[in-house]
Amino acid sequence: GNSVTQMEGPVTLSEEAFLTINCTYTATGYPSLFWYVQYPGEGLQLLLKATKADDKGSNKGFEATYRKETTSFHLEKGSVQVSDSAVYFCALRGGGNKLTFGTGTQLKVEL
Amino acid sequence: GAVVSQHPSRVICKSGTSVKIECRSLDFQATTMFWYRQFPKQSLMLMATSNEGSKATYEQGVEKDKFLINHASLTLSTLTVTSAHPEDSSFYICSARVGGQNGELFFGEGSRLTVL
Repeated sequence: GNSVTQMEGPVTLSEEAFLTINCTYTATGYPSLFWYVQYPGEGLQLLLKATKADDKGSNKGFEATYRKETTSFHLEKGSVQVSDSAVYFCALRGGGNKLTFGTGTQLKVEL
Repeated sequence: GAVVSQHPSRVICKSGTSVKIECRSLDFQATTMFWYRQFPKQSLMLMATSNEGSKATYEQGVEKDKFLINHASLTLSTLTVTSAHPEDSSFYICSARVGGQNGELFFGEGSRLTVL
């Protein structure tokens, strides 16, 4: 079956630091890949997505590239802010149109 | 974007009682809603797909008599945890899809259930 593995958190960074949150997946066929973000007290929100190999999703300074050869979709941001503190979920949508989520990675950004 | 709201956000109940959680799409109609369960430090697990006007489709291993899902209107789906036990304590999250099969999902804030 499909699965998503992401790095365990929490990840603690200083403001303006570079962020990488690793995500790898296992799936049959050609899934679509997503990053969702959950800010404290709020529901999950779609951050970015990529639907085919080599696509790059980007939003709010975050980027992730769909790498089929390494089955990865790592999330990156060049300079994080305190307001980026949240839980980030990597997910894939495969056959049956169902989303499979990773365990989530908590990011804490400090001044 | 579209707004999905869950109620209540937190609920505490006694063992053996039933608890209902509501999921509403506030500014759009949703023919399909999804219910997830999240344990601490674990991923969201899809429990069931709720279709307006028809029976929900449950994932393998989810007891349909335990977790009753009703999707009576295009803006409301409910999850009722029947005869709750402490092991049912969890974070329950709903989502609704906008557009067709490949439409974007919008999530509720989640409901934390604690069964004493």
